[in-house]
Amino acid sequence: AQTVTQSQPEMSVQEAETVTLSCTYDTSESDYYLFWYKQPPSRQMILVIRQEAYKQQNATENRFSVNFQKAAKSFSLKISDSQLGDAAMYFCAYSLPNFGNEKLTFGTGTRLTIIP
Amino acid sequence: DAGVIQSPRHEVTEMGQEVTLRCKPISGHDYLFWYRQTMMRGLELLIYFNNNVPIDDSGMPEDRFSAKMPNASFSTLKIQPSEPRDSAVYFCASSLTLRDSPLHFGNGTRLTVT
Repeated sequence: AQTVTQSQPEMSVQEAETVTLSCTYDTSESDYYLFWYKQPPSRQMILVIRQEAYKQQNATENRFSVNFQKAAKSFSLKISDSQLGDAAMYFCAYSLPNFGNEKLTFGTGTRLTIIP
Repeated sequence: DAGVIQSPRHEVTEMGQEVTLRCKPISGHDYLFWYRQTMMRGLELLIYFNNNVPIDDSGMPEDRFSAKMPNASFSTLKIQPSEPRDSAVYFCASSLTLRDSPLHFGNGTRLTVT
């Protein structure tokens, strides 16, 4: 079974600084998808970024980027120029391409605090 | 689009009572998912529908849980009778397809069973 591990229950960063959230996963598959979801205090889960394992180029979305290390099974999220609105729980997730949304495996989350 | 709409936002009930959670997916999305989030178990998929038909309900914890989707714009998750261990945040999500389209989540319903 696939597992997703987020080893940092909590992180904090000064506003305007850069922070990196860690995620590792365990799979024997070679093709899969990885995601980062954000859950702000409003509770709604929002997709931040998605990475396809067969693509070597790291995905980026504005201030959000990932460092995808396939051999190490690592998928970290970097948030640049942190803003107060970035405060949230961040969940890493994994799915197999043959399955998709019905087989998403989520990590336990990292709570990110932004210090003004 | 208004996004996925869930109601109520909070529900407090006594053990043994019936609880009904409601969800309106994004118009045009063919897939609807019900998730449960707890501190202990994280985010768990309970059931999902395709074109109003339940496809996989293997995540439904017990027979006390049931879900329906009578039409493309409405789904319910019912717990009868409710128990304190059912206390959690329940999310509804929808997506256009299973693959290559993201999940869109609602704001969740926080259920407290006393």
